Amino acid sequence: RKEVEQDPGPFNVPEGATVAFNCTYSNSASQSFFWYRQDCRKEPKLLMSVYSSGNEDGRFTAQLNRASQYISLLIRDSKLSDSATYLCAVNERGGSNYKLTFGKGTLLTVNP
Amino acid sequence: SAVISQKPSRDICQRGTSLTIQCQVDSQVTMMFWYRQQPGQSLTLIATANQGSEATYESGFVIDKFPISRPNLTFSTLTVSNMSPEDSSIYLCSVGIGALSYEQYFGPGTRLTVT
Repeated sequence: RKEVEQDPGPFNVPEGATVAFNCTYSNSASQSFFWYRQDCRKEPKLLMSVYSSGNEDGRFTAQLNRASQYISLLIRDSKLSDSATYLCAVNERGGSNYKLTFGKGTLLTVNP
Repeated sequence: SAVISQKPSRDICQRGTSLTIQCQVDSQVTMMFWYRQQPGQSLTLIATANQGSEATYESGFVIDKFPISRPNLTFSTLTVSNMSPEDSSIYLCSVGIGALSYEQYFGPGTRLTVT
């Protein structure tokens, strides 16, 4: 089983749609979880850290389900500018090990 | 976050040669990392660059192929040695920020093509 797996995508949605991505992780000891956004030919940019209680930033909501070992990202009222690849990242070993393991990413295209 | 720069931004190199990539941060950071992202793939951690000691390499990556320097808390280099076309990739440095340095921020990357 891969350490971090994401919805394979791609997702094509109209403007204004709500879209959700899921990401599962294999190591139950993982402590930190993140969503990154990567535009074509650019570096990944940290979008959100994911906290146990869930967190929201404008149109973006991230949630963590430790029991089922997955994290999710919900984008409401999607904009054309949301088109990008979304990568989840997990601190796989927890504790003081800073290593992040990334999923393969899910490509989102928001259409006019 | 931090401002991270990488040089060169891209290069085309001949097989058998070596390329050194530089990563500069505008503030002192404890954790620096080097990743590779091959076309259409996600990021793979090459190594953690440790200041004042040898880098910590991930499985499948060795110091002879990817020597790393970390002379201070704002700078690191990654060398891709004896290159082959399979080394064609984007190489990114990242830094750990935050109370526990878990959040990582990436440099703009170096796009390497080996012919």
